[in-house]
Amino acid sequence: GAVVSQHPSRVICKSGTSVKIECRSLDFQATTMFWYRQFPKKSLMLMATSNEGSKATYEQGVEKDKFLINHASLTLSTLTVTSAHPEDSSFYICRAQIYTGVRNQPQHFGDGTRLSIL
Amino acid sequence: DAKTTQPPSMDCAEGRAANLPCNHSTISGNEYVYWYRQIHSQGPQYIIHGLKNNETNEMASLIITEDRKSSTLILPHATLRDTAVYYCIVRLNNNAGNMLTFGGGTRLMVKP
Repeated sequence: GAVVSQHPSRVICKSGTSVKIECRSLDFQATTMFWYRQFPKKSLMLMATSNEGSKATYEQGVEKDKFLINHASLTLSTLTVTSAHPEDSSFYICRAQIYTGVRNQPQHFGDGTRLSIL
Repeated sequence: DAKTTQPPSMDCAEGRAANLPCNHSTISGNEYVYWYRQIHSQGPQYIIHGLKNNETNEMASLIITEDRKSSTLILPHATLRDTAVYYCIVRLNNNAGNMLTFGGGTRLMVKP
């Protein structure tokens, strides 16, 4: 079945560092990728939606200059947390949308990246 | 997308059936009911989905009421590995890329 690979699975870094998270669709083309953020014991919160070759659409309250999203190809989207601070520590999850022309398809998530900023 | 309501937590004995309810009273005619689960520190995993007929696959069964205002996910023989947060989502079939809005989910604890 369709697989979404997210890398790295865990990052621990110092405050002020920029961190890049990759999301790849391994055996399908993803026209749209979604990025979520999840705090401990909370539900997933959509941060942004990215379409291949165009600018990402950010949800209200999400700083686009803080969370840079690039979707340069149909199999790769990246989320860069710029100048990360402790409050950016969270679990980040990507989701890839398969383009099949049939819309009611299961969605495919990456396994998440746990970001810890010291 | 329609809002869903789920109990925040449930317990189930290992080997017994786990029945997880979901209310979606404002669901519209073209919205599907999807179930996902999230095991600790992993991404959500698709379980099953349906429109109005009951559905069954190797993981679970989905029972949707005739008025479609509620549904129940059934794990027929729960195991310890089924301990997870279960999310019920209803979603439109639209041009916006199939948005998924997650509610609070039900934290299922399967106990030995």
